[in-house]
Amino acid sequence: GMPVEQNPPALSLYEGADSGLRCNFSTTMKSVQWFQQNHRGRLITLFYLAQGTKENGRLKSTFNSKERYSTLHIKDAQLEDSGTYFCAAYNYAQGLTFGLGTRVSVFP
Amino acid sequence: EAAVTQSPRNKVAVTGGKVTLSCNQTNNHNNMYWYRQDTGHGLRLIHYSYGAGSTEKGDIPDGYKASRPSQENFSLILELATPSQTSVYFCASGGLDRGTGGAQDTQYFGPGTRLLVL
Repeated sequence: GMPVEQNPPALSLYEGADSGLRCNFSTTMKSVQWFQQNHRGRLITLFYLAQGTKENGRLKSTFNSKERYSTLHIKDAQLEDSGTYFCAAYNYAQGLTFGLGTRVSVFP
Repeated sequence: EAAVTQSPRNKVAVTGGKVTLSCNQTNNHNNMYWYRQDTGHGLRLIHYSYGAGSTEKGDIPDGYKASRPSQENFSLILELATPSQTSVYFCASGGLDRGTGGAQDTQYFGPGTRLLVL
């Protein structure tokens, strides 16, 4: 299977809602990054994690290397959160591998 | 945050023509990368570099060359462009990020270049 499986492929939210995205890894990864691609196509780095949990404003991400997954949680969704979110996981053997992304649409 | 710039931002080329995509980073990162992004494939690594003078093949190097003349600059070269190379190309730089506690595998992306090969 894919080294990095990202779910769901698409997500629709109303403003103010909370939701989560998940990446599962087929093998042990050393670290994970989360990116947001905005409507202009620009890739913005959100988080880098080697372990544990990080928070930044309304976003929170967790990485569990042993259980082979990472999550990104969006709290109180806003219109500007719309975009495509990618996780990318790194190990020495494969380098950095991207998931296919989750397209997030936030509606008023 | 790291500053990575790409030029041109948009390019239309003809089949068989030569295309050069340029990337510049001002972070003094050792590593630089070229990706292409296509629907259904996510981001795929074309070439990367560990430093000036170094180029390495990524996952999909066929039809592409790379050049790293300096720490700051990394170019992607399509000697004979084909319509299948129509895509969005992203450059990234990466390296030790002492500010955020990141490691060698933290990457910062440029804004992307849209290439259309007719």
